Amino acid sequence: DAMVIQNPRYQVTQFGKPVTLSCSQTLNHNVMYWYQQKSSQAPKLLFHYYDKDFNNEADTPDNFQSRRPNTSFCFLDIRSPGLGDAAMYLCATGRRPSTDTQYFGPGTRLTVL
Amino acid sequence: KQEVTQIPAALSVPEGENLVLNCSFTDSAIYNLQWFRQDPGKGLTSLLLIQSSQREQTSGRLNASLDKSSGRSTLYIAASQPGDSATYLCAAMNAGNNRKLIWGLGTSLAVNP
Repeated sequence: DAMVIQNPRYQVTQFGKPVTLSCSQTLNHNVMYWYQQKSSQAPKLLFHYYDKDFNNEADTPDNFQSRRPNTSFCFLDIRSPGLGDAAMYLCATGRRPSTDTQYFGPGTRLTVL
Repeated sequence: KQEVTQIPAALSVPEGENLVLNCSFTDSAIYNLQWFRQDPGKGLTSLLLIQSSQREQTSGRLNASLDKSSGRSTLYIAASQPGDSATYLCAAMNAGNNRKLIWGLGTSLAVNP
């Protein structure tokens, strides 16, 4: 089945220790999004890739970076996680930016100790 | 600045009831409006997408309507089942160049057997 896969589902890291979250897709979609969702809050868009073009949201902290080595994979790097970065991180894909529905993965729950 | 509000924040109903979830948005210049479902600790599943030129969309027991002039959308769930228990989020996509989803906080639905 075509889908969006996120690994790991649960990630525990220490304060300040870099962490990488992974997203892969079998939908062959051009767009990949990363969202941060904290408890009882709406998802917050961090950035997205349209093919190889990277689009960063203005209020996304520099601590968050992303890489997309090919169509299928996208990574979220948190260089120095703080306690406030503990959240669910959601990856989503879409055929075209901003116009089509988005297909979400199951998310990675990040805990920062 | 677009703001999306969902009322009520939580809803508990007995199985079999028909119910309506409400979503309001402040700026009628939207490109589309989307409804998502989120199960606890999981990612989001797209339910319905209504383009700005449309008035409603239907999928099985779900019907979503859109009234741009009043800034409202409703999600109607017919013959509710315990498996419908989840959080339902609506998101409005702004028209214009900087299109992105503006999310509500969701309605947490519990359908009791």
